[in-house]
Amino acid sequence: DAKTTQPPSMDCAEGRAANLPCNHSTISGNEYVYWYRQIHSQGPQYIIHGLKNNETNEMASLIITEDRKSSTLILPHATLRDTAVYYCIVRVPSGGRGSTLGRLYFGRGTQLTVWP
Amino acid sequence: DAGVIQSPRHEVTEMGQEVTLRCKPISGHNSLFWYRQTMMRGLELLIYFNNNVPIDDSGMPEDRFSAKMPNASFSTLKIQPSEPRDSAVYFCASLTGGSREQYFGPGTRLTVT
Repeated sequence: DAKTTQPPSMDCAEGRAANLPCNHSTISGNEYVYWYRQIHSQGPQYIIHGLKNNETNEMASLIITEDRKSSTLILPHATLRDTAVYYCIVRVPSGGRGSTLGRLYFGRGTQLTVWP
Repeated sequence: DAGVIQSPRHEVTEMGQEVTLRCKPISGHNSLFWYRQTMMRGLELLIYFNNNVPIDDSGMPEDRFSAKMPNASFSTLKIQPSEPRDSAVYFCASLTGGSREQYFGPGTRLTVT
């Protein structure tokens, strides 16, 4: 699985958009970009994933560059409850060619702090 | 759905004692994962099962650690004997074959004194 690089920490004002970057310059053609977050003392929580098109769900938007070497997770209106460590992961999805049956490699992630 | 259930939530034990952590995956999920999280090493995968069969245990630190999945609804992670360096939060996660997201339990915080 490709390695990712994220800034160790970021902060954001409540109500503003939080834009979390991730570099994955060695990503291969069949690897997806996943984002998880971990709120203090809880288990990681899935946010969103994508292959090459931008994706949006009720939690966030994912913008993937055309060359797929980087991506940005956008929380459009950050709240205090969004304070967490955000992990960017690239991997082949479960069941896909070269699949490792869902195995995720977590790096250090980005500590996002939302302040009032 | 109750989500992934782990027990106990907190465990404090003395060095040398046996520790057993338990996990009940989400019903219908056929893959189960055990992770360990520490400040030093972050979140690391220990072992995962598919259809109750261990697929990859390369993350298990040493022979003191063992994991079993006797059926689709239950798994255990055992440490015998425990050591202070085993102190960590242990997470269990499950996944269904058609899904692309893992669902994590609340974790077990283990302290070995």
